[in-house]
Amino acid sequence: DIVLTQSPDSLAVSLGERATINCKSSQSILRNSNNKNYLAWYQQKPGQPPKLLIYWASTRESGVPDRFSGSGSGADFTLTISSLQAEDVAVYFCHQYYSIPFTFGPGTKVDIK
Amino acid sequence: QVQLVESGGGVVQPGGSLRLSCAASGFTFRSDGMHWVRQAPGKGLEWVAFIRYDGSNKYYGDSVEGRFTISRDNSKNTLYLQMNSLRPEDTAVYYCAKDGVSTSSIGWYFDLWGRGTLVAVSS
Repeated sequence: DIVLTQSPDSLAVSLGERATINCKSSQSILRNSNNKNYLAWYQQKPGQPPKLLIYWASTRESGVPDRFSGSGSGADFTLTISSLQAEDVAVYFCHQYYSIPFTFGPGTKVDIK
Repeated sequence: QVQLVESGGGVVQPGGSLRLSCAASGFTFRSDGMHWVRQAPGKGLEWVAFIRYDGSNKYYGDSVEGRFTISRDNSKNTLYLQMNSLRPEDTAVYYCAKDGVSTSSIGWYFDLWGRGTLVAVSS
């Protein structure tokens, strides 16, 4: 099974500042046949289901603010919130869909400093 | 309105069975693969199962293989999860989720989630 690790476990950022979350895979999740990274990012607010933010490592889901961006390739990925807003307080999960069983990272909690 | 609504959760004794349902609306259910994902209280996310849009392919996570069965009724726009031989470690909120790529055969990312239904396995 592919194991995803996230860092940090939690972080507190001032409003308007940048937040950066890392996700590392135990193996490459880049498929050479189509040059796509099989990685997604989700946001989960308390008491709510997860919400898709990013897929194919860097494609923003429709309706997601452009302050959210995804980058990386192979086994190392990053989710960046360029200017943290109060409504961004949540837990963020990465997810690989390269191979079954699909797996998630343990999550990173983002708070306001 | 595009939505998924789960039902069927509750309290069950170890070794018991439960069937979850997920009613879909607002999109072409018969064209989309569907997943179940669970989340134990205060914990992370665990993928449980996937079913292809036409029901012909099914895949399961290691911890539920042989005990859980995913199915769908496209005429009723409904997804199911039959859970047998339940264990305390199956206690979680169970979410149904729509696959992000229509007519996918093995599943991709999840672009729509229900609000979940809580399953508690306890004596």
